[in-house]
Amino acid sequence: GENVEQHPSTLSVQEGDSAVIKCTYSDSASNYFPWYKQELGKGPQLIIDIRSNVGEKKDQRIAVTLNKTAKHFSLHITETQPEDSAVYFCAASENSSYKLIFGSGTRLLVRP
Amino acid sequence: ETGVTQTPRHLVMGMTNKKSLKCEQHLGHNAMYWYKQSAKKPLELMFVYNFKEQTENNSVPSRFSPECPNSSHLFLHLHTLQPEDSALYLCASSQGDRGGNQPQHFGDGTRLSIL
Repeated sequence: GENVEQHPSTLSVQEGDSAVIKCTYSDSASNYFPWYKQELGKGPQLIIDIRSNVGEKKDQRIAVTLNKTAKHFSLHITETQPEDSAVYFCAASENSSYKLIFGSGTRLLVRP
Repeated sequence: ETGVTQTPRHLVMGMTNKKSLKCEQHLGHNAMYWYKQSAKKPLELMFVYNFKEQTENNSVPSRFSPECPNSSHLFLHLHTLQPEDSALYLCASSQGDRGGNQPQHFGDGTRLSIL
């Protein structure tokens, strides 16, 4: 079955700097890759997703890149702000599958 | 976001109790999910319902019993739980009529503590 590895487990950056979180997946049949942000006391919130027919997707300060050959995808946050501090999860899913396999999460701290 | 509402937000129960978790979605979705989130572990999918039919049971012990009476409501019935079942239980929903691979929207979870 699918396995998703996520790094780093914790990340501390200065406000205004960029943050990058990386994930690798094992199943080449996976073709849907969402990213979630989870704040304390809240459920995960979808922030961006990408499908395997594109290599990059951007939404304001957030971007996701996908390398299908290497089976890895990354989340890029530019101009970080203290409110970006949260736990971020990547996930992967096979075609037509309802099953999302999640990474173990990255705790991002943005220092003011 | 109030699209997926879970109640109660917190639950403390003994190992011999019976309780139920409730999830309601107002997004017009047809697929609903239960996940377990434990400390230092990835989110684990427990059950999937699509158009009220269970399509996935991820080897979940029978002390967890799901129920999906309609596409807007999902329950998780609990009985004879173990201390290791203490966790955050999350409900999610997605469009069910386009197959899988649709964005899943999560509720804020029920924090369950087993004494």
